[in-house]
Amino acid sequence: DAKTTQPPSMDCAEGRAANLPCNHSTISGNEYVYWYRQIHSQGPQYIIHGLKNNETNEMASLIITEDRKSSTLILPHATLRDTAVYYCIVRRTGFQKLVFGTGTRLLVSP
Amino acid sequence: NAGVMQNPRHLVRRRGQEARLRCSPMKGHSHVYWYRQLPEEGLKFMVYLQKENIIDESGMPKERFSAEFPKEGPSILRIQQVVRGDSAAYFCASSPRQTLSGANVLTFGAGSRLTVL
Repeated sequence: DAKTTQPPSMDCAEGRAANLPCNHSTISGNEYVYWYRQIHSQGPQYIIHGLKNNETNEMASLIITEDRKSSTLILPHATLRDTAVYYCIVRRTGFQKLVFGTGTRLLVSP
Repeated sequence: NAGVMQNPRHLVRRRGQEARLRCSPMKGHSHVYWYRQLPEEGLKFMVYLQKENIIDESGMPKERFSAEFPKEGPSILRIQQVVRGDSAAYFCASSPRQTLSGANVLTFGAGSRLTVL
């Protein structure tokens, strides 16, 4: 699976959009981009995934660049409860396990 | 749908004892994964199982650790002769059969926290 690079930490003001970048310059055509988060010591929580097109759901939006070498997770209106470690994972189809990196620690402040 | 259920949520064992952690996947899910998270560290993949089959155990320690997912009942992660270094949070995840598109979302449980005295 392609390696991903994320900033170790980011800050965001409550109510503002949080934009979390992820670099996956070695991604190949059959690899999806997945985002998960882990709030404190809870189990990881799925957020969103995409292949080529931008995606949006009730939690977030995922913007994937045209060359697919990077992506951005957008939390449109961050709340204090969004404080967590966010993981960007690239994974091939046909392979089941997820390999977690170190992620981005997002701190949302009042 | 109750989600992925793990028990016990907290388990305390003395060195040399056995620890058994159970995971019931989401209804309709036939794939189970176990991850370990040591204190202040990241999530490490341990093993991936389907019913009655171990598919990928590349992350399992060579000794003392075993996992099963029987035809009936929950998946079990078993740690024999526990040592202090086994103290960690153990997370289970489940997923349905792979979709035609190839995307596969894992749903995680709340974890089981093992403390070895």
